[in-house]
Amino acid sequence: GQQVMQIPQYQHVQEGEDFTTYCNSSTTLSNIQWYKQRPGGHPVFLIQLVKSGEVKKQKRLTFQFGEAKKNSSLHITATQTTDVGTYFCAGPPNSNSGYALNFGKGTSLLVTP
Amino acid sequence: NAGVMQNPRHLVRRRGQEARLRCSPMKGHSHVYWYRQLPEEGLKFMVYLQKENIIDESGMPKERFSAEFPKEGPSILRIQQVVRGDSAAYFCASSPAFGDWTQYFGPGTRLLVL
Repeated sequence: GQQVMQIPQYQHVQEGEDFTTYCNSSTTLSNIQWYKQRPGGHPVFLIQLVKSGEVKKQKRLTFQFGEAKKNSSLHITATQTTDVGTYFCAGPPNSNSGYALNFGKGTSLLVTP
Repeated sequence: NAGVMQNPRHLVRRRGQEARLRCSPMKGHSHVYWYRQLPEEGLKFMVYLQKENIIDESGMPKERFSAEFPKEGPSILRIQQVVRGDSAAYFCASSPAFGDWTQYFGPGTRLLVL
């Protein structure tokens, strides 16, 4: 079945450093989504990418969707302590893999001041 | 414009008791998903429901767990005869239509089984 994998599992940075998390799917995706979960909180939708090679920015966050639509990345420039949390990517199911989003296991980001 | 609501936010049960978790989707959303999250782990899909129908329950244990989404009222995830391993955060998410994969999560119910 379809699998969505994320690396790294954990990342610890100093405030002001950059951060990148990578997401890879075993199958081509029609779109990919990113969510953020703060410690003790719930996942919050950040963005959806649909087009091959698409790049979207939200302030210091840059999201990319690969040309083959099988991988994606989230890059944070000059991290702040408010960026702490776990970032999940998720892809919709293909015709053989049910009816639910397939979430990666997430990358937990810790930012120390 | 209320978001997804879940209650209770925290639930403590003793082994063998029943846990009943409720989820009210966002207004206008008729698709509900339940996920389980263990500490330091990702989201594990459990079940997907539309009003009065279970569409996909492939992630839900076949014993002790059940889910419903009645025509009126919230979606309910029921865990019978809870065991310590059921302790986790249970999140509900809703979406407006099939094929719209953006999911809006509720605040979750933290279940602790003593």
